[in-house]
Amino acid sequence: EVQLVQSGEEVKKPGESLKISCKGSGYRFSTYWIGWVRQMPGKGLEWVAFVYPGDSDTRYSPSFQGQVTVSADMSVGTAYLQWSSLKASDTAMYYCARLSGDAYMDYWGQGTLVTVSS
Amino acid sequence: EIVLTQSPGTLSLSPGERATLSCRASQSVDSSYLAWYQQKPGQAPRLLIYGSSRRATGIPDRFSGSGSGTDFTLTISRLESEDFAVYYCQQYGISPWTFGQGTKVEIK
Repeated sequence: EVQLVQSGEEVKKPGESLKISCKGSGYRFSTYWIGWVRQMPGKGLEWVAFVYPGDSDTRYSPSFQGQVTVSADMSVGTAYLQWSSLKASDTAMYYCARLSGDAYMDYWGQGTLVTVSS
Repeated sequence: EIVLTQSPGTLSLSPGERATLSCRASQSVDSSYLAWYQQKPGQAPRLLIYGSSRRATGIPDRFSGSGSGTDFTLTISRLESEDFAVYYCQQYGISPWTFGQGTKVEIK
């Protein structure tokens, strides 16, 4: 069974750094892209970035380029989304999802809620 | 970037009724790269339809997708209680991948 399990809720202050994770199981982790999607409170879905665990290739939405970094460690079957300096506007639920061979998101993690507040 | 506009914003229907959700793109989308997702409160999105008309694994056949070019439709033939949720369309053919703003299907 394919599963993506994300790290737990985070509460941070503006300016702090953060790295959240997404652990895949039940499939060959290195051969599927992992995507990250943001959902701000009460709002819709926004694509953030993709990472390919096999060679760490990445793609970023122009809206998020330079704001976040995605990475993956295929030895532990885990993808990451990180910020070097959080802002209050980063407050949101962040989902990871596996990309099928045709690039739709077929399996989703349960989400990680990130709250940034002074 | 391709903007996807979903209508209506909210659909108020009773169980057993038919739901028709629209997704209009600002430019032509290859129908092979249009998906629909369902999201219930407090849950992650779930893939319903990919390739504009292909049901994902385990999705009941009361869900169907159609369309081409700039106009796509998700139809739920007979609403069941578990179908009341928010539905998003997404195009994944041209970067950046984009989602519509969602249609909420609520109980009338």
